[in-house]
Amino acid sequence: AQSVTQPDIHITVSEGASLELRCNYSYGATPYLFWYVQSPGQGLQLLLKYFSGDTLVQGIKGFEAEFKRSQSSFNLRKPSVHWSDAAEYFCAVGARRSSASKIIFGSGTRLSIRP
Amino acid sequence: NAGVTQTPKFQVLKTGQSMTLQCAQDMNHEYMSWYRQDPGMGLRLIHYSVGAGITDQGEVPNGYNVSRSTTEDFPLRLLSAAPSQTSVYFCASSYNSLSGNTIYFGEGSWLTVV
Repeated sequence: AQSVTQPDIHITVSEGASLELRCNYSYGATPYLFWYVQSPGQGLQLLLKYFSGDTLVQGIKGFEAEFKRSQSSFNLRKPSVHWSDAAEYFCAVGARRSSASKIIFGSGTRLSIRP
Repeated sequence: NAGVTQTPKFQVLKTGQSMTLQCAQDMNHEYMSWYRQDPGMGLRLIHYSVGAGITDQGEVPNGYNVSRSTTEDFPLRLLSAAPSQTSVYFCASSYNSLSGNTIYFGEGSWLTVV
């Protein structure tokens, strides 16, 4: 069974600074990997996903993530954060050729932006 | 399109009361699911459905019932509410049950059981 770890519960960065949110997974093969964002009082919205091919994935709102098989990681990055990026971010892992019911979500990283 | 619509947004229940959280989607999605979100625990799957008339248990099904009489609707029933069911509940849907599909979430229902 797969699992996912987001080691940072809360991160604060200054507006305009770069951002990296960590995600580590455990799975016997290459999984499907997702990043979702949750704005306060809202549901989750897909930022990007990795299935195969290029290990650097571009998403919405200027986010990107890099799949590193050797490190079992799928870290989310943004070169310059905006105040509107303050939200909670969830990494998720899904087994290939499996059901959506088997997708596992990490515990989330809350991002605060310092003016 | 409305996407995934959940009602009510907020609800306070007394221990032992029953209630139903409503969920509807207008995207003709086969797969629908209910999650609960608790601090520090991410999202945990309660129940899911791969199509009308088919439901199954997720990770934390105890205390909850579901049914799927139509493609559009997937209500979640709490038969006898307990304080441990205080949480934020999210309904979600995707095109089909395959794990590679994008999951679309409702805006959440905040439930407090006192």
